Formats: sequence, structure tokens, C-alpha cells
Amino acid sequence: NAGVTQTPKFQVLKTGQSMTLQCAQDMNHEYMSWYRQDPGMGLRLIHYSVGAGITDQGEVPNGYNVSRSTTEDFPLRLLSAAPSQTSVYFCASSYIQGARANYGYTFGSGTRLTVV
Amino acid sequence: DAKTTQPTSMDCAEGRAANLPCNHSTISGNEYVYWYRQIHSQGPQYIIHGLKNNETNEMASLIITEDRKSSTLILPHATLRDTAVYYCIVRALNAGNNRKLIWGLGTSLAVNP
Repeated sequence: NAGVTQTPKFQVLKTGQSMTLQCAQDMNHEYMSWYRQDPGMGLRLIHYSVGAGITDQGEVPNGYNVSRSTTEDFPLRLLSAAPSQTSVYFCASSYIQGARANYGYTFGSGTRLTVV
Repeated sequence: DAKTTQPTSMDCAEGRAANLPCNHSTISGNEYVYWYRQIHSQGPQYIIHGLKNNETNEMASLIITEDRKSSTLILPHATLRDTAVYYCIVRALNAGNNRKLIWGLGTSLAVNP
């Protein structure tokens, strides 16, 4: 089925470890983004990309890196995990060009990350 | 993008219509109203969007007031599976590279048997 695939679904890290959260979409969406969701807070944008080779910071980018080498993939890297990065992470994608640019975002099922 | 205001929670009886309000008094002329929902532990799901006309799809109806300062999402026959958090968001048409939406806490809808 077409959509946004996130891996892993669950992850436990120790403080200081690094890891990469994977996000892939097969809808040829130009726009991809990463959000984190914490209890009592709305979704907050970490990084986003409007096409291969183009990335930009969102609201809460510190401690995270991204790259976009292909249209399909948008990995999120945690450089040195901290307990404050314990959260649920969602990847979302959408069209930018033409009439389909007004369609909504398609979200992945999320990655639940715990940093101890 | 403009901010929105939604009630924190609502209840609805199964089989009845659920009417979820949203205020967006600072909406601009080029901003659409979008609705998403998030069922527990899942990623948000797009429901519907509109500019100034009422819209309907297989999931819901969207009623936007004439001055566009508020809207209502209608689930015509709510089921237990419609229990979720519902988010109302405004987003500019042709936002270009600016895709920084403001997500509030939404309305937690409980559909009761």
C-alpha cells in the first residue's frame, strides 16, 4: 500500500548514543518533514525538506540532523541522544506542486523513542 | 499561518452527529482550513479541507462561516472508531517553501455507546 513508512516502531537508547530514524514514502511527494509529539504539547516541527538536496530547520531542530538525497527517503539522525529527546516521532509528506499541493499531509505510524 | 482555537474535549453518542467547532478569527484570505484526526498512538490522518465553500467527502462535512472566522467539522453518524483527537489547522494556499503549520492540542472526541 502506498504511504509513509517509518522504522523502527520502538527504540530505547542510552544517553549519548546516536541513531537514525528512517522515513520512506512511495507517493513521489516533494515535501517531507519530521515532527515530535510530547504529552500536553502539539506536534512540533523538527526539520523539513521541499525536495532532494533541500532541507530546512523547523521549530525544534537542535540535536537532530537530516538529509534528503532522494525524493523517497528522509532520515532523521540523533547525534547524541538525551533524555529530553524521549518522544514520539512522526514523518509526514505531501505534494507541493500544482493542484495536488492543497491535499493534506500523509503521516507515518510513528517511532516511539525512549532515551535512558 | 493563523492560529486556531478548539474545545479541549467533547462527547458524542454513537450513531449521532458529532459537531466539532474551530475558531480561526485571524485567518487570511489565502488560507485554507484543514482537519486531521489522530486515533490513539497512530499518526494523524487527513480528513478534509476547504477555503470558503462547504465541503463533503466520505469521512465528514466541513462548514465554514461566511466571514471564514470559524468552521465546524461534522461526522454525520459517529461510531466508536471515531474516538480520536481532532485538529483544526489553517494553511496558506501556495505556501511555497513555508510549510510550518501550527498544531494545537485539538479536541479529544469521545464517542460513547
